[in-house]
Amino acid sequence: DGGITQSPKYLFRKEGQNVTLSCEQNLNHDAMYWYRQDPGQGLRLIYYSQIVNDFQKGDIAEGYSVSREKKESFPLTVTSAQKNPTAFYLCASSIFFGTNTGELFFGEGSRLTVL
Amino acid sequence: SQQGEEDPQALSIQEGENATMNCSYKTSINNLQWYRQNSGRGLVHLILIRSNEREKHSGRLRVTLDTSKKSSSLLITASRAADTASYFCARRETSGSRLTFGEGTQLTVNP
Repeated sequence: DGGITQSPKYLFRKEGQNVTLSCEQNLNHDAMYWYRQDPGQGLRLIYYSQIVNDFQKGDIAEGYSVSREKKESFPLTVTSAQKNPTAFYLCASSIFFGTNTGELFFGEGSRLTVL
Repeated sequence: SQQGEEDPQALSIQEGENATMNCSYKTSINNLQWYRQNSGRGLVHLILIRSNEREKHSGRLRVTLDTSKKSSSLLITASRAADTASYFCARRETSGSRLTFGEGTQLTVNP
């Protein structure tokens, strides 16, 4: 079945460590996104990619990095520069990126806890 | 700031009752979407309404959009315990094509 797979589901990190969250989609979608969700809050956009080898910063990109070397994959690295990384991270995709873009398809999320 | 508000923040009702959630926004939009999130899970798309539409139905869901008031509402009729979840509105802005999420309404349907 087509969909978005995020891994790992749970991740623990010590302060000062970088961690990478995986996001893979087999929907043949051009656009992919990373959102951060804190308890009881909405989603905030970290980075998005409209097409392979392209990505743009969202609203809270500081302390994060991404790559888009393949259409199917959009990994997110949470660096040691991110001051408060404990959160729920959601990856999403859409057919394309633009004013007329419709729905986003989400993965099941990765919960990162900094010890 | 998410440039919008959803209310109520939390809603608790009995099975069989209707649930209404509201979403307001400030910018010009191309479409507005509603999503559902079960606890600890990803979001699932429910319904999309375009800026030139006023009302849309999908099963027990009814969405309205008033662009003059910059507001939308989601009505769930004949609620069930399985409807318990967080519901988010998301605005597709005409400027920049961003999809901006609200902070959500936590709906609890008591059996």
